[in-house]
Amino acid sequence: EAGVVQSPRYKIIEKKQPVAFWCNPISGHNTLYWYLQNLGQGPELLIRYENEEAVDDSQLPKDRFSAERLKGVDSTLKIQPAELGDSAVYLCASSPTPGVEQFFGPGTRLTVL
Amino acid sequence: GQQLNQSPQSMFIQEGEDVSMNCTSSSIFNTWLWYKQEPGEGPVLLIALYKAGELTSNGRLTAQFGITRKDSFLNISASIPSDVGIYFCAGQGTDKLIFGTGTRLQVFP
Repeated sequence: EAGVVQSPRYKIIEKKQPVAFWCNPISGHNTLYWYLQNLGQGPELLIRYENEEAVDDSQLPKDRFSAERLKGVDSTLKIQPAELGDSAVYLCASSPTPGVEQFFGPGTRLTVL
Repeated sequence: GQQLNQSPQSMFIQEGEDVSMNCTSSSIFNTWLWYKQEPGEGPVLLIALYKAGELTSNGRLTAQFGITRKDSFLNISASIPSDVGIYFCAGQGTDKLIFGTGTRLQVFP
C-alpha cells in the first residue's frame, strides 16, 4: 500500500514569493492533516480536513496561508506571500477516521531566503 | 503552539545500553503515542497507549501511560545503531495530536 505522498520534497524561494505544497493521502483515508514542523520541535497542526471540509483550521495563519481539498482526496497548502519565518518542514498526514493512527508523509522542507 | 515537555532533550549512548525518556503535560490525554522520526522523513508511529496505567511493548520498546494521564514513558532496551533518530511523544485529546519537543538519540557502536 502506498504511503502519503508529498511534493515537492524541497523548495527554496525568496521572501514575498508564493509557494504551494501538494499532498496525496493514503487511499481511503478521509481525514487529512497539515502540520508545521520547525527545526528542533515537534509537528504542530495547521489544519484538519474531514473529506473536503476543513473542520479545524484554528492554527492556520489565514492572512497568508490557505489550503484546499476540493474533491476530498488530494490537498494543497499555499503560502502567499512567504516570509523568512516560514522556513520549516510542512508535513501532511492522513488517517481513516479522526482520532485513529495518523500516517505521515516525508514532508516538504521550505527555505525562504 | 502547545508542545509537551520531553526529557532528556538528547542522549548519546553506546550500543547495547538501555534508554529511558519521558513526556509530561499540564493537560490530561485519552491516548498517548510515541513516534520516531528519521532525517528527511515524517514521524512513524511506534506505540499507542489507550488506558491509564497501560504498559505496552513493541519488540525492544516498552511504553507506559501514566496513572495521572498527564505523562508517559518510553524505554528502549539493548539499543542498536538503527535506533538513532528523534523520538516524539504525542497526546491525543479529542481529535488533535499535541506533540512533545522530542528526544534526539545517538547510538555509538
